Parts: sequence; C-alpha cells; structure tokens
Amino acid sequence: SQTIHQWPATLVQPVGSPLSLECTVEGTSNPNLYWYRQAAGRGLQLLFYSVGIGQISSEVPQNLSASRPQDRQFILSSKKLLLSDSGFYLCAASGGRGNIQYFGAGTRLSVL
Amino acid sequence: AQRVTQPEKLLSVFKGAPVELKCNYSYSGSPELFWYVQYSRQRLQLLLRHISRESIKGFTADLNTGETSFHLKKPFAQEEDSAMYYCALRPYGQNFVFGPGTRLSVLP
Repeated sequence: SQTIHQWPATLVQPVGSPLSLECTVEGTSNPNLYWYRQAAGRGLQLLFYSVGIGQISSEVPQNLSASRPQDRQFILSSKKLLLSDSGFYLCAASGGRGNIQYFGAGTRLSVL
Repeated sequence: AQRVTQPEKLLSVFKGAPVELKCNYSYSGSPELFWYVQYSRQRLQLLLRHISRESIKGFTADLNTGETSFHLKKPFAQEEDSAMYYCALRPYGQNFVFGPGTRLSVLP
C-alpha cells in the first residue's frame, strides 16, 4: 500500500501571505495525485489532480494552484491567501488503475 | 452529473443496535462504489468497496443498481465504530465523487 506524507499538520497564516503545502508519496511510482478540501457537512471537494509530472488539472476556479515537480511530490500553493482559504486540505494518491485512494493526514489552514 | 448523497449528517445509535448508513448515487454507467471512514485523529481510509463483496469490521454494503444505493450496514454497532463515514463513487475513467459524509455516534 501507499504512504502519504503531508505537512505541515497545522498552519496559521495572515491574509495576503503566500502558501505552500507539500505532499509526498511512498510505495508506488507514477501515482495519480489529488488535493481535496474537506469541509464539515460538504464532504470532500476535489481541487486539483495530476496524472504525471507537470500535468495538473483544476476542478474548480479558486485562489490556489498546484504543481508536481517530481513523480511523487505534489504541492498546493497560493501567492496571496484569502480568509476564505481557511480549511482542511487533504492530499491523496492512487496507483495503477486508480481505483483506491490513499489519504494523507491533512493540513488545517487558518487564515487570519 | 454524477452525485453522491448521504441524507443523514449525524446518526446516533446505542451499542449493540443495528446501524445503517444510507448512500445513494446518480450515475448512468456501471459504478464503482466505496465506503471510506475517518476515526477521530486518524486519516481517512478505505473501509470497503463493492467489488470486493467482503465484510470489514462487521460492516457490509450491497450495491443495488435498481435503487442506485450502496447502504452500509452492521448488525451490532460497537463504540469503536464511532467515526465519520463517506460514501464515494468512481465513474468509469473519472475521478472520485464523495458524499457529504455521515457522522456515526455509538452510545454506550
């Protein structure tokens, strides 16, 4: 099975500051990678997914961006955070046929 | 569009009682369906998927394509079953679609 490392676990940032959340994957090569936002009562909202290095697809318009500089590294970024960016962000990976997703422990972001 | 609904945000049952977490989906093709669980202070993890047709921790889920449902059931709930449960649909060749989740609370 795969292991997803995600950091930091919690982050407090002022409005207008930049953001960089990192996710790395062990146990598989060429995984599909995902960034979700988890909100209470609304489930998991897919933000970005990637099927390979440098290949990023965005699911929803937003203030965030994603990059995949290496096969098993996925980064969620923002140039200027908004209050509405506060939330719980999850990284996930799936390998092979992509029919099971493995999740990281998540990052709780508070924008003040 | 594909969609997953879980009508109950919160479900409370007493220990030893049967539990059923409801999940309905909308998808015109052959679905792959999953249940994910998140225990307190743990990461989200796969509980079971319909193609395995297995029982995990006493839970089972049967796909009913006529009713487009994939309800999660356990005959005798335990306190350690208290968690957040997400039903998920994976349309063929596409990304997962998650439901809003149901928080199960098993009371002593």
